[in-house]
Amino acid sequence: GAGVSQSPSNKVTEKGKDVELRCDPISGHTALYWYRQSLGQGLEFLIYFQGNSAPDKSGLPSDRFSAERTGGSVSTLTIQRTQQEDSAVYLCASSLAGLAGAQFFGPGTRLTVL
Amino acid sequence: GENVEQHPSTLSVQEGDSAVIKCTYSDSASNYFPWYKQELGKRPQLIIDIRSNVGEKKDQRIAVTLNKTAKHFSLHITETQPEDSAVYFCAAGGSTLGRLYFGRGTQLTVWP
Repeated sequence: GAGVSQSPSNKVTEKGKDVELRCDPISGHTALYWYRQSLGQGLEFLIYFQGNSAPDKSGLPSDRFSAERTGGSVSTLTIQRTQQEDSAVYLCASSLAGLAGAQFFGPGTRLTVL
Repeated sequence: GENVEQHPSTLSVQEGDSAVIKCTYSDSASNYFPWYKQELGKRPQLIIDIRSNVGEKKDQRIAVTLNKTAKHFSLHITETQPEDSAVYFCAAGGSTLGRLYFGRGTQLTVWP
């Protein structure tokens, strides 16, 4: 089947604007993760959804960041009042329920804040 | 939570030589240890993983070893090729932790 997809692939926005990034996980995967990767850096964990459990938001860097997962499938990461330091690639990953492993990553959204 | 340390941060080898990347973890509850390869401009891709009931796993030129007592695991690449050049990430996790914790990555460069 299809892999993890993300949209848009690239997003250029002006400082202060809000942006929404979308992730479609692999069908049947109930765990979904968002990561941020700045240029040449590692994977910074943002948020983790597992089924109907409360999400693990411990990685969100500020209250400008939020994420939703509707119907246990598609997820949207929202960044309000974007800042230049938000510029990065935002990666989504999904995995099977109950397993911390075998995460499959999407292609990412490259966000540039001018 | 878990803390994963990865070394070295950069590694340069000659084509045909072996490369070893090492990671340590802190939480004894971790029982799943994957390795990801990320080529420039691409997404991370799972290349090999190991669970805590196994000490070693091989897949062609790559192998992973796990020492649960010492809480460290390593990635071994033999007969390296230029196409092995990439950033490699280790990670640790387990069903009780619910998520993976990633190391900071190792930039491997294989010179022809």
